[in-house]
Amino acid sequence: DTGVSQNPRHKITKRGQNVTFRCDPISEHNRLYWYRQTLGQGPEFLTYFQNEAQLEKSRLLSDRFSAERPKGSFSTLEIQRTEQGDSAMYLCASSLLAQETQYFGPGTRLLVL
Amino acid sequence: ELKVEQNPLFLSMQEGKNYTIYCNYSTTSDRLYWYRQDPGKSLESLFVLLSNGAVKQEGRLMASLDTKARLSTLHITAAVHDLSATYFCAVSLGGTSGSRLTFGEGTQLTVNP
Repeated sequence: DTGVSQNPRHKITKRGQNVTFRCDPISEHNRLYWYRQTLGQGPEFLTYFQNEAQLEKSRLLSDRFSAERPKGSFSTLEIQRTEQGDSAMYLCASSLLAQETQYFGPGTRLLVL
Repeated sequence: ELKVEQNPLFLSMQEGKNYTIYCNYSTTSDRLYWYRQDPGKSLESLFVLLSNGAVKQEGRLMASLDTKARLSTLHITAAVHDLSATYFCAVSLGGTSGSRLTFGEGTQLTVNP
């Protein structure tokens, strides 16, 4: 079963460092989404791609955040100059088409010290 | 701005009992999703509801949608311990909002023996 995969699963970093997460969607899914989830809350939308095009970004996505999906397959989410408030679970999801069910990966748990 | 509210946020119930989780949303929506999340895990898709009056059932869980009332319910029948998890509803607006999901805060369900 080739579901959505994310790496790393856990990341501990010091404030001010840069981190990069990777998401591999389900094969042939052309939509890829990033969400952030803090403890006790529902996931919050960050951004999404259709193939390689980034079509929407949330206001939550500050200038320190950047996401890419260079060949329309895997995606990376980079956070520059991390802050303690960035500590969260970063979830990636993919869907075959718009408005189809989004399938979530296991997430990357980030802790900024 | 779309708001999604769930209640209750915490639910402790005995095995064998029935209960309903409610999900209200503030704006006309294309579709509504229910997800399950186990502690430290990612989200598992349970149901997608597409139209007014839609009802879907899987095992001891049944979800329904009333688009006029902007309300979805997740009914639990004869609860068992394995159903203990956090349940999220999520709403998709479609249109220019693409297929981003807006989640409720989640209902943390504990089923006691």
